Order: sequence, then C-alpha cells, then structure tokens
Amino acid sequence: ILNVEQSPQSLHVQEGDSTNFTCSFPSSNFYALHWYRWETAKSPEALFVMTLNGDEKKKGRISATLNTKEGYSYLYIKGSQPEDSATYLCAFSINAGNMLTFGGGTRLMVKP
Amino acid sequence: DAGVIQSPRHEVTEMGQEVTLRCKPISGHDYLFWYRQTMMRGLELLIYFNNNVPIDDSGMPEDRFSAKMPNASFSTLKIQPSEPRDSAVYFCASSLRQWEQYFGPGTRLTVT
Repeated sequence: ILNVEQSPQSLHVQEGDSTNFTCSFPSSNFYALHWYRWETAKSPEALFVMTLNGDEKKKGRISATLNTKEGYSYLYIKGSQPEDSATYLCAFSINAGNMLTFGGGTRLMVKP
Repeated sequence: DAGVIQSPRHEVTEMGQEVTLRCKPISGHDYLFWYRQTMMRGLELLIYFNNNVPIDDSGMPEDRFSAKMPNASFSTLKIQPSEPRDSAVYFCASSLRQWEQYFGPGTRLTVT
C-alpha cells in the first residue's frame, strides 16, 4: 500500500501571507509527483507534474519543489489571495501507467 | 476541446436499481480513470484504462461495480445493484501518457 501524506490538513492565512505545504511519499520506485488544486464544488485541476529529483516548477505565485531521495515535495504560495482558497492535493505514481495515489489534501483558507 | 464530459451530473436512485455513469475523455488522450470521492476515504481510484484496455481494477469495491471502454471516446461505470453506501461523487479523468490528468465535473450519486 502506497502512503502519501500531506501536512497540514488545513491552514488559515491572511491575504498577503506566503505559505507552504508538504507532501511525503515513498522514496522507492518513484515515477512522478503531481499537484492538483481543488476548489469546492468543482473538480481537481492540475498544477504541476514533476519527475526528476530537484525539479522546481512555477505557475504565477505558486511553485513546487521535489526531493525524490527523501520522498517529499513542497508547494509554495507567495502572497496568498482569497481566490487561492482550495484544497491542494498531491499524488504519486510508481510507473508510467499514471496510476495515482492521492494524499488527503491540505485545505487552504485565505481571509481577506 | 470541451474537456472531459460526464453525465449525468446528478443521479438519485433507489437501492437495488442499476446506475450507469458515462464519460467522454478529451480527444487524443490514451488514459482514462474512474475515481470515487467520499468524506471517509477521500479521492480513490477505482479503475483505469490505457488505449481502451482495463489495466488495473483493484480499486473496484466489489462485483456490483463494472466499467467498460468500448472505444476511445466513451466509457461507462455501472453499479448493479446500487446500495446507499455507493453514494458519492464519481469523477472521470483522462490524460495523455503519464502527464497531468484532466478531471470531468463529476457525477453526484445518491442512493436512497
């Protein structure tokens, strides 16, 4: 059983704060690490897919890093805005079949 | 492209009835996934297909669940007979090879 853990489970921040979350995954048999953003009443939306140790990806104010040797990935949001409020999911795959195991998510709430 | 299309968006049925959920993946994508989202278990993979062939159905809860992909543009998930514990949101997603998955809007199933 693959165990993907995310922390914290939830996070409340003020508008303008920068924040980061952690995703931990088994470091053996790694293939890819995905990050998704999931707004309430919508469907998950892909943010990043990373495959190489040391990968860093950025999209606007959101960025992510990957450490496959120690089995973790960080997601950073710079200058949080209320529209960033969502659940951020990470997911891990061990082969090219793209069969993902999802973590429980970090629920972010940004107060104006 | 219209994205992944799922129908119906909402389904309310009585225990014991057959339920069929439908999915049209993004054109050109070679992977199709069926997920179930519940409060207790989060987002869990039920089954996935590669080039219309089922690859892994280990997530299918029991024999009451079946899925087919008769061609590259259509898949169904069937529950027969349905039970109240099947109530959940069912997502279909598609991807091109091992890259990010694109999720449909989901079908909210309620079994009374």
